[in-house]
Amino acid sequence: GAGVSQSPSNKVTEKGKDVELRCDPISGHTALYWYRQSLGQGLEFLIYFQGNSAPDKSGLPSDRFSAERTGGSVSTLTIQRTQQEDSAVYLCASSLRRGQAKNYGYTFGSGTRLTVV
Amino acid sequence: GESVGLHLPTLSVQEGDNSIINCAYSNSASDYFIWYKQESGKGPQFIIDIRSNMDKRQGQRVTVLLNKTVKHLSLQIAATQPGDSAVYFCAEKGGSGGGADGLTFGKGTHLIIQP
Repeated sequence: GAGVSQSPSNKVTEKGKDVELRCDPISGHTALYWYRQSLGQGLEFLIYFQGNSAPDKSGLPSDRFSAERTGGSVSTLTIQRTQQEDSAVYLCASSLRRGQAKNYGYTFGSGTRLTVV
Repeated sequence: GESVGLHLPTLSVQEGDNSIINCAYSNSASDYFIWYKQESGKGPQFIIDIRSNMDKRQGQRVTVLLNKTVKHLSLQIAATQPGDSAVYFCAEKGGSGGGADGLTFGKGTHLIIQP
């Protein structure tokens, strides 16, 4: 597509439930990133995928968080047994190979606003 | 911890005035910096970047200044317009929060334009 698409745009879930957030990157972008943005905070790096390489999971806050990227395109971020502190906007970005595109080439989606009640 | 941060969480300016948004970074080895603009309900969008071999870079109505001596970055917006209302983030290549060779973002400054 023309941009990075994320779904759903809003998600309200009960504490303890699992949620899946989806990111559809720009066609041809081999790099994909997930960030978390809490209220009044900056962007917290979660995970990075580059082609078929093993993902960089160094930002995942706990083992309740996982992500996969199927076929080098769509990515799903899964949060198991959600907690209230997981409430945030989850942003996905994609780019050509990291560090080799002009301006770093990050294109962000509009995010998924997750509210855990 | 956070290696990139902002001096003020909110900045209020009169329409038509110039705005200056500041950012401090702690990684003296960082060699590339970006400013992003995030409007309500949208993802961050690239505004302007600067490499560490430069002190100043100008775009359309925006200027980024880099002071490596005190590890300070600023974004200047000339003749601020209502459409400039947004949260502005600085980001540095590397740092502690972006994964290997990724971008580390600051907390952001909310720019409010007064009519």
